[in-house]
Amino acid sequence: QSALTQPASVTGSPGQSITISCTGTSSDVGSYNLVSWFQQYPGKAPKLIIFEVTKRPSGISNRFSASKFGSTASLTISGLQAEDEAEYYCCSYAGGSTPYVFGTGTEVTVL
Amino acid sequence: VQLVESGGGLVKPGGSLRLSCVASGLTFSGHYMTWIRQAPGKGLEWVSYISRSGDIIYYAESVRTRFTISRDDANNSLFLQMNNLRIEDTAVYYCATYGMDVWGQGTTVIVSS
Repeated sequence: QSALTQPASVTGSPGQSITISCTGTSSDVGSYNLVSWFQQYPGKAPKLIIFEVTKRPSGISNRFSASKFGSTASLTISGLQAEDEAEYYCCSYAGGSTPYVFGTGTEVTVL
Repeated sequence: VQLVESGGGLVKPGGSLRLSCVASGLTFSGHYMTWIRQAPGKGLEWVSYISRSGDIIYYAESVRTRFTISRDDANNSLFLQMNNLRIEDTAVYYCATYGMDVWGQGTTVIVSS
């Protein structure tokens, strides 16, 4: 099972919106509405910010939104803030003998 | 709600380690649980999960036949027995609930001669 493809880095200015893509295949992202997104600061554990493609856990800012079209999922961060500077990972259910696959990760930089 | 991993350390290639994860603040027996790892400077890699009753278990291809996941609900504990360790198993190992909404702080495994 290959990792899902994410851009290595995305940069934005405060207040702007950015979108991170997560490209999989018809065997994972394209087949299941079970895509999650995680935010990770250096040296810290990842934090779930989106589950089941579009849902936000309690306490997660509504500046985070997500969607999916075909085999590509996307995370949008609106009103970019300095605290959003982190690494972001997508993850999809893939079924089979290795049921979960993560994305390659995207470093978000806020100018 | 808290997950606390332990058991990491330095081990030689071919050696073994047993990681533990103790849960508090949640009904541990009601949760599928999972292990995820992150090599230094690299991305996240799903490793394994175990069902509530322990009868459904999956492993990543990279660890299948070498790692064994288990649980002890009486002690709210999750384990990962790692045998025949390889240099490429060097990583921070996290335990998490199946939905990955709760994570531990991680425990570091270094495989080096």
